[in-house]
Amino acid sequence: QVQLVESGGGVAQRGGSLRLSCAASGFNFRDFAMHWVRQAPGKGLEWAAVMWYDGRDKKYADSVRGRFTISRDNSRNTLYLQMNYLTADDTAIYYCARGGVQGPIDYWGQGTLLTVSS
Amino acid sequence: QSVLTQPPSVSGAPGQRVTISCTGSSSNIGAGYEVHWYQQVPGTAPKLLIYGNSNRPSGVPDRFSASKSGTSASLAITGLQAEDETYYYCLSYDSSLSGLLFGGGTKLTVL
Repeated sequence: QVQLVESGGGVAQRGGSLRLSCAASGFNFRDFAMHWVRQAPGKGLEWAAVMWYDGRDKKYADSVRGRFTISRDNSRNTLYLQMNYLTADDTAIYYCARGGVQGPIDYWGQGTLLTVSS
Repeated sequence: QSVLTQPPSVSGAPGQRVTISCTGSSSNIGAGYEVHWYQQVPGTAPKLLIYGNSNRPSGVPDRFSASKSGTSASLAITGLQAEDETYYYCLSYDSSLSGLLFGGGTKLTVL
């Protein structure tokens, strides 16, 4: 069965950096676009970034563009999110998710919590 | 500004029918991009409820249905059950953003 397992969350300093990872299994990872979606405490879902199945393109939400970088290693079935210049507004649960570039997202990980402290 | 607007809350009695709207614009729903719906129980990951405007994944009860018209879409839930009380989100692609766009979410309360 499809499994997406995020890791790397925790507490980071304002202005600092952190890298999230997502280990995928149960499907041909290299055949699917992959997304990061985040959810601030008590708030709704916010799409953050997508990477094409072959890594040839990537897109970002305005809120993270220029600070976050999505990448993937198809040989390791792993998706990454490098987050730099973190702010309090980046505090959220970060979900790794599988789906088409234009949607739908059909599988989600359990999420990893990032807390940005001052 | 690209946005998908959902009502913050809706409610209905057990057994009744409720609908949740998702209003977009010419750069997303109105442009012909598909709408997808998710159910999220607090503390858990979202679950795909409807994809491609009106299709149910395997295992989703037929009490859930959805449609799309013009710049809007709607999710309908019939035969409301206590377990349906949770949050619902719409999702579509937005060409102005070159990315996905979630609605703000709707909390369904079963009275």
